[in-house]
Amino acid sequence: NAGVTQTPKFQVLKTGQSMTLQCAQDMNHEYMSWYRQDPGMGLRLIHYSVGAGITDQGEVPNGYNVSRSTTEDFPLRLLSAAPSQTSVYFCASSPQGWGQGEAFFGQGTRLTVV
Amino acid sequence: AQSVAQPEDQVNVAEGNPLTVKCTYSVSGNPYLFWYVQYPNRGLQFLLKYITGDNLVKGSYGFEAEFNKSQTSFHLKKPSALVSDSALYFCAVRDTGGFKTIFGAGTRLFVKA
Repeated sequence: NAGVTQTPKFQVLKTGQSMTLQCAQDMNHEYMSWYRQDPGMGLRLIHYSVGAGITDQGEVPNGYNVSRSTTEDFPLRLLSAAPSQTSVYFCASSPQGWGQGEAFFGQGTRLTVV
Repeated sequence: AQSVAQPEDQVNVAEGNPLTVKCTYSVSGNPYLFWYVQYPNRGLQFLLKYITGDNLVKGSYGFEAEFNKSQTSFHLKKPSALVSDSALYFCAVRDTGGFKTIFGAGTRLFVKA
């Protein structure tokens, strides 16, 4: 019962570095999404995908790229890290379209950009 | 555009007393509404949802929520709070025609023994 697995759990980057946050789910869910959590701002949607090969932007997409080549994986790429991207990142999945099902969240990745 | 407001940053309640965590929303069309809980250093866990039907929804750990369409609210309630209920609570809304789910800023609940 792995559910949604995020790696790494912690990461420190220097400004300008790039990296990929990994997210994998084993529930065959169509819908996956990435959020960032900042104090006092709740969770903000970065990007989401409604199935393999289909992605779209959320509320705060700038500075992030995603792709969805398989149903299971939905990596988030930071192209050139900035201190403003210091945050806790959560990946979530749910059955198609969220409509009748709740979201399952990973344990989060705590990213610090110095 | 969808939006969710949780007007209280923090709610304090004594153990055994009833608790309410407030949520109001704005969305086009009929909403799908959710409550999630987050414990320290953990991901979010689903508590309950409103899709359609009865305005009073029951969920996990004795929590319930009341959907009020005229007031566009979806307040989370529990008749008798436990110290273990202390956590961060998030309300979320999704419009039935779209794919985006938007979260509120969260309300921290403290239950004092």
